[in-house]
Amino acid sequence: EIVLTQSPATLSLSPGKRATLSCRASQSVSNYLAWYQQKAGQAPRLLIYDASNRATGIPARFSGGGSGTDFTLTISSLEPEDIAVYYCQQRSIWPWTFGQGSKVEIK
Amino acid sequence: QVHLQESGPGLVKPSETLSLTCPVSGGSISSYYWSWIRQPPGKGLEWIGYMFHTGGTNYNPSLKSRVTISVDTSKNHFSLKLASVTAADTAVYYCARIPVGLIGMVDSWGQGILVTVSS
Repeated sequence: EIVLTQSPATLSLSPGKRATLSCRASQSVSNYLAWYQQKAGQAPRLLIYDASNRATGIPARFSGGGSGTDFTLTISSLEPEDIAVYYCQQRSIWPWTFGQGSKVEIK
Repeated sequence: QVHLQESGPGLVKPSETLSLTCPVSGGSISSYYWSWIRQPPGKGLEWIGYMFHTGGTNYNPSLKSRVTISVDTSKNHFSLKLASVTAADTAVYYCARIPVGLIGMVDSWGQGILVTVSS
């Protein structure tokens, strides 16, 4: 199965700063990569699909990029409500798999 | 706006079968794929499997011998059965909707139900 490796494990930034999260796949997933946000005690929420498409209702400060094996999720200006764990997920080959998550904290 | 809500026992004994149901409200169960995903406490997410409303299924190879996912279109709900559970199956179980045009992407999640395997 495809292994997704996320970095960093934890990112601590001040409000208003730019946050960049990475996701690397063990083999090419083309652009079939999604990003989800999971706040404490909640189900995940879809942010980005197919590498760069924002899901309905997602603020413009969230953007995704990359293709093949290397992907990024960028939060252009961190808001306090962005505290969460962020997961990447590939839908290129079954079983679809998630990364282990990157935790974003507010400094 | 579709609403999903997992239901079932929160405690299952080792070697027994875990059974969960997910009623779909605010939308039809037709024209979508339906999935189960789990998350052990403090850990990451794992796909269990998915099926189309007409019956085709696909299960994670790591669980395939123990899993059954089914859809009841007359009741507008879908279900999960996981047999011969052990403590390693303790997790929050999510039911989820997958759009047909973007298979493999979850656009709607249930709130999740914690199932503990313990005697």
